[in-house]
Amino acid sequence: NAGVTQTPKFRILKIGQSMTLQCTQDMNHNYMYWYRQDPGMGLKLIYYSVGAGITDKGEVPNGYNVSRSTTEDFPLRLELAAPSQTSVYFCASSPGTGPNTDTQYFGPGTRLTVL
Amino acid sequence: AQSVTQLDSHVSVSEGTPVLLRCNYSSSYSPSLFWYVQHPNKGLQLLLKYTSAATLVKGINGFEAEFKKSETSFHLTKPSAHMSDAAEYFCVVTMNRDDKIIFGKGTRLHILP
Repeated sequence: NAGVTQTPKFRILKIGQSMTLQCTQDMNHNYMYWYRQDPGMGLKLIYYSVGAGITDKGEVPNGYNVSRSTTEDFPLRLELAAPSQTSVYFCASSPGTGPNTDTQYFGPGTRLTVL
Repeated sequence: AQSVTQLDSHVSVSEGTPVLLRCNYSSSYSPSLFWYVQHPNKGLQLLLKYTSAATLVKGINGFEAEFKKSETSFHLTKPSAHMSDAAEYFCVVTMNRDDKIIFGKGTRLHILP
């Protein structure tokens, strides 16, 4: 049981490039989340999904897109990378009762630098 | 609106002494409160959570927290610090009315030998 896995671990992008951060969970969780963590700050929710085919915006969705075609996978897409998107990105998942009370299980993170 | 404030960005304690990490929240509705720990270069792991059951919540690794509605606080404590407790700790609040998840800015705990 690997839990939540994220790839890549590190990436450097040039301004205007695009990339997809991959996230997979093997716990059959309904909910999945993407966060970003900036230095000295807590995590901010970018997007989340309550199940395959359903996604919703979090607090900071601008500049990102997501899709959820399967229960296991929840990729995060950056279309036109900007320096403001330099951050550490965490994917998480939780069982079905919802983000209000669920325990979230986090991946190890992807450190992204945009130059 | 809901918010969460972690009152200390850094806390240093000696090994074997008590730990207190402070968290205050504001919420218009019944909140759920969580403490997560993040070790260097790792993802976050749940320590404990309060979801409207017992106000004194026990978590992993000897940590506990007490929900005090009158003080809008959810402070994290541990009787005796261990070197392995050195990490960053995040207090999180959610409301039962929507799907907002608000993280505090974190408290970095340093353990002195």
